[in-house]
Amino acid sequence: DAGVIQSPRHEVTEMGQEVTLRCKPISGHNSLFWYRQTMMRGLELLIYFNNNVPIDDSGMPEDRFSAKMPNASFSTLKIQPSEPRDSAVYFCASSLALGAQLTEAFFGQGTRLTVV
Amino acid sequence: GENVEQHPSTLSVQEGDSAVIKCTYSDSASNYFPWYKQELGKRPQLIIDIRSNVGEKKDQRIAVTLNKTAKHFSLHITETQPEDSAVYFCAAKYPSNYQLIWGAGTKLIIKP
Repeated sequence: DAGVIQSPRHEVTEMGQEVTLRCKPISGHNSLFWYRQTMMRGLELLIYFNNNVPIDDSGMPEDRFSAKMPNASFSTLKIQPSEPRDSAVYFCASSLALGAQLTEAFFGQGTRLTVV
Repeated sequence: GENVEQHPSTLSVQEGDSAVIKCTYSDSASNYFPWYKQELGKRPQLIIDIRSNVGEKKDQRIAVTLNKTAKHFSLHITETQPEDSAVYFCAAKYPSNYQLIWGAGTKLIIKP
């Protein structure tokens, strides 16, 4: 397996534009996490899915952020409209949840978003 | 809810010495505690983890200890090398779901 795949690796966009980040989890994993990382706030969980269903989106900063997981092999994180303070590295991670146990979370390489 | 505190935020050690990073958690029912290493510009990667039914786990120069009574766990790196320089994150799994609660990270600097 190629691991968790994110695209694009880098995104530069103007304030007000829509941004869509994409993630392909590891095949067979049933949990998917979207994180945002900045120097100031560290690693923040935005939302996570279990079996394609959003379980906890309390970390989504505001209504401008939305995430979907239409099937087990694809997820998107959308920001509309984007603002300069959204600039960060966005990571997607996946893992396998078995009953009450959680296995290792594998991270994608991240998308570095810059909003100017 | 669960809360994880990590200390120190920055740790500088001489090459060859040992490094210890500590984390405390708030929910006594938490049952899974991974440690991730993130090198500059790269993704976090798991280096070691421990479950609540184990008190200590070792993997070569890296070890993790868990004290369930005190609700803290620690990462120990012995014989540190330059390639150990990175940011290290601890995490705890909230027992009622699959969410990991993360510490704020420790920047480990290995001085030559």
